[in-house]
Amino acid sequence: GDSVTQMEGPVTLSEEAFLTINCTYTATGYPSLFWYVQYPGEGLQLLLKATKADDKGSNKGFEATYRKETTSFHLEKGSVQVSDSAVYFCALSSNSGYALNFGKGTSLLVTP
Amino acid sequence: DSGVTQTPKHLITATGQRVTLRCSPRSGDLSVYWYQQSLDQGLQFLIQYYNGEERAKGNILERFSAQQFPDLHSELNLSSLELGDSALYFCASSGSGGIGYEQFFGPGTRLTVL
Repeated sequence: GDSVTQMEGPVTLSEEAFLTINCTYTATGYPSLFWYVQYPGEGLQLLLKATKADDKGSNKGFEATYRKETTSFHLEKGSVQVSDSAVYFCALSSNSGYALNFGKGTSLLVTP
Repeated sequence: DSGVTQTPKHLITATGQRVTLRCSPRSGDLSVYWYQQSLDQGLQFLIQYYNGEERAKGNILERFSAQQFPDLHSELNLSSLELGDSALYFCASSGSGGIGYEQFFGPGTRLTVL
């Protein structure tokens, strides 16, 4: 079945450091891929998405490129801020179902 | 603010009881999804409704049921509650029930079963 694997957290970075959170997937057909962010005590917010191979999603300085050859959708940001501290979820939506299939989440803590 | 509302925000109840969680989707969205978030299972899809009809089922227990009403709001009913049902329950909505459309999440209902 479909699945998403994310790097284990927590990830701790200093402000202005470069961020990469790895995400790989297994799915039938051509899934759509998403990154959601969950701030403490809040619901999930869509951060970015990509619907086909080689698409790059971007938002608020975050980027991720849909790589079909490596079945990956890694999240990157060039310079993180304290306000980026949150849990990040990679997710997919595929031909085998309408629901989102989430990874386990990666907790990010950015220190001043 | 995603435009999806959920009530109540917190719910504390005892084992064996029954509770109802309510969700109002974004204006114009026809599809509603329910997810459960727990520390050990992560985010798990429970069930989807589209314009009043059940469209997809995930890891939903038989003790749980849901429905979507003509005004498109949805309710998730949890009965014979067990300690393990303690979790965050999220509702999400999307304009279409199809694949590739982003889902907008509500703030969640935190259920504690004592």
